[in-house]
Amino acid sequence: QKEVEQNSGPLSVPEGAIASLNCTYSDRGSQSFFWYRQYSGKSPELIMSIYSNGDKEDGRFTAQLNKASQYVSLLIRDSQPSDSATYLCAPWGLLMDSSYKLIFGSGTRLLVRP
Amino acid sequence: DAGVTQSPTHLIKTRGQQVTLRCSPKSGHDTVSWYQQALGQGPQFIFQYYEEEERQRGNFPDRFSGHQFPNYSSELNVNALLLGDSALYLCASSLGSGANVLTFGAGSRLTVL
Repeated sequence: QKEVEQNSGPLSVPEGAIASLNCTYSDRGSQSFFWYRQYSGKSPELIMSIYSNGDKEDGRFTAQLNKASQYVSLLIRDSQPSDSATYLCAPWGLLMDSSYKLIFGSGTRLLVRP
Repeated sequence: DAGVTQSPTHLIKTRGQQVTLRCSPKSGHDTVSWYQQALGQGPQFIFQYYEEEERQRGNFPDRFSGHQFPNYSSELNVNALLLGDSALYLCASSLGSGANVLTFGAGSRLTVL
């Protein structure tokens, strides 16, 4: 089982629609969760972080966390073509030596159709 | 305020050669982490440097080594290059080894022929 699972996509949505990106993780000890956006050929850019169960909203983005289900999601409202990118889910996970590091999923590619 | 800078941006090597990649962290940051991102995959953690020492290491062979200098900049060295080492190598900086908010550089694209 992969540590972080994401649907690779592509997820195709029309402009103005809501895009829903999902992620499951295996490490129950993870405390913090991050969503990064990565445009093709570019480096990851942090767009959202969430630490507690429930929803966290920031502009058009909403992150949702359910630690019991080991599930985190990202909603993008009023999707724009400029949102077309790969979205990486990254729990802050525990290493065997009891230290923590970001563990990335493979990402979901989002395509927003004009 | 300069962000994370990496060099070179692109390079091509042949199997068996050695490569050195360089990273300068964001101003005010003291910790550098290195990630390898193969095509179509998420970044994989290689190691982290703090106070000029390797603090954490991912599941990478000893061919991958690094260094951190007193000015917090860092190098990633890869020996005996394999075709599978072709990837985007990302440097990320943070303040403190336990920080979970990372700032990424633009990356170094390595192609091994």
